[in-house]
Amino acid sequence: QVQLVESGGGLVKPGGSLRLSCAASGFRFTDYQMSWIRQAPGKGLEWVSYIGTYTDYADSVKGRFTISRDNAKNSVYLQMNSLRAEDTAVYYCARAWESSIAATGLGYWGQGTLVTVSS
Amino acid sequence: SYELTQPLSVSVALGQTARITCGENNIGTKNVQWYQQKPGQAPVLVIYRETNRPSGIPERFSGSNSGNTATLTISRAQADDEADYYCQVWDNSNVVFGGGTKVTVL
Repeated sequence: QVQLVESGGGLVKPGGSLRLSCAASGFRFTDYQMSWIRQAPGKGLEWVSYIGTYTDYADSVKGRFTISRDNAKNSVYLQMNSLRAEDTAVYYCARAWESSIAATGLGYWGQGTLVTVSS
Repeated sequence: SYELTQPLSVSVALGQTARITCGENNIGTKNVQWYQQKPGQAPVLVIYRETNRPSGIPERFSGSNSGNTATLTISRAQADDEADYYCQVWDNSNVVFGGGTKVTVL
């Protein structure tokens, strides 16, 4: 069965960096676009980034966050630099339901990892 | 930027029908997804490509999309349907979520 397991969250000071990882299993990793979505405490879902053939980012993180994937390790990563208090959120890794997020959305989600940016 | 408008809350009596709307100009031209999220849990895809249900999602959940409004309909609402619901589209290479609707089953 499809499994997505995030790791790497924690407490970091403003201006600091953190790298999130998402280990995928149960499917042919190279066939699917992957994405990161976050949810601030008590707030709604906010898309952060996706990776397929291309990558793209929300304006709120562009230039600070970098998404990447290692197909040999079935993993996707989110490098977060210049972190701000408003980046505090649970970060979810998600997989396209079918191969394309544009066509069918995000069908599988990890359990999330909490990132807290505070001094 | 593309913004999806959802009502903050919807209440429905047990066994009745709840309708959750998602509005934006010409949303009828886009693929719309709907997600259910219960407290402390990750979101679950309940409708994709406007009207399709992933395996395991009850037939009570259905979707429609036309003009400027997409709608998620929950028929014969159950206590277990109480959750936050989010609509989502793809626009200009971005994933866009609505603000979410809290559904309360009375």
